[in-house]
Amino acid sequence: AQTVTQSQPEMSVQEAETVTLSCTYDTSESDYYLFWYKQPPSRQMILVIRQEAYKQQNATENRFSVNFQKAAKSFSLKISDSQLGDAAMYFCAYRRETSGSRLTFGEGTQLTVNP
Amino acid sequence: DTGVSQDPRHKITKRGQNVTFRCDPISEHNRLYWYRQTLGQGPEFLTYFQNEAQLEKSRLLSDRFSAERPKGSFSTLEIQRTEQGDSAMYLCASSPGRALGEKLFFGSGTQLSVL
Repeated sequence: AQTVTQSQPEMSVQEAETVTLSCTYDTSESDYYLFWYKQPPSRQMILVIRQEAYKQQNATENRFSVNFQKAAKSFSLKISDSQLGDAAMYFCAYRRETSGSRLTFGEGTQLTVNP
Repeated sequence: DTGVSQDPRHKITKRGQNVTFRCDPISEHNRLYWYRQTLGQGPEFLTYFQNEAQLEKSRLLSDRFSAERPKGSFSTLEIQRTEQGDSAMYLCASSPGRALGEKLFFGSGTQLSVL
């Protein structure tokens, strides 16, 4: 069974600084997808960034980028120029390359952004 | 695109009662998912529909839980004889079903409290 582990229950960062959230996963599959979702106090899960395992290039979305290390099964999220609106719970998630396959989430990291 | 809608937003019930939640996915999304999220944890997969067909169920979905999507549009999740351990947030998500690794759109959830 696939597992996703986020070892940092809480992180904090100063506004405009950079922060990195860690995620590791365990799978025997070779093809899969990895995601970072953000859950603000409104509770709605919002997709931040997505990575296909077959792509060596790390995904980037504006201030958000990932460091995908397939051999190490590591998938960290870097947030640059942190903003107050980035404060939220962040979840790392895994999905097999199967049509309709479920997402497996980590435990989450609560990010605080200090002004 | 009005987003995924869930009703009610909050539900308080007494142990042993039955409850039903509703999810309205984004129009024309043929995949619909139910997840459960307890405090401080990531969402856990419950079940998945492709149109009106329920294609996958988690072992978390005991025989007290039933989900339907009768016309391939909205879905209901019913919990019979509720227990205190059922207290959680129940999240619904939908996706177009056109691409592997596609984005899931989440609703804001139904928070269930069983007294």
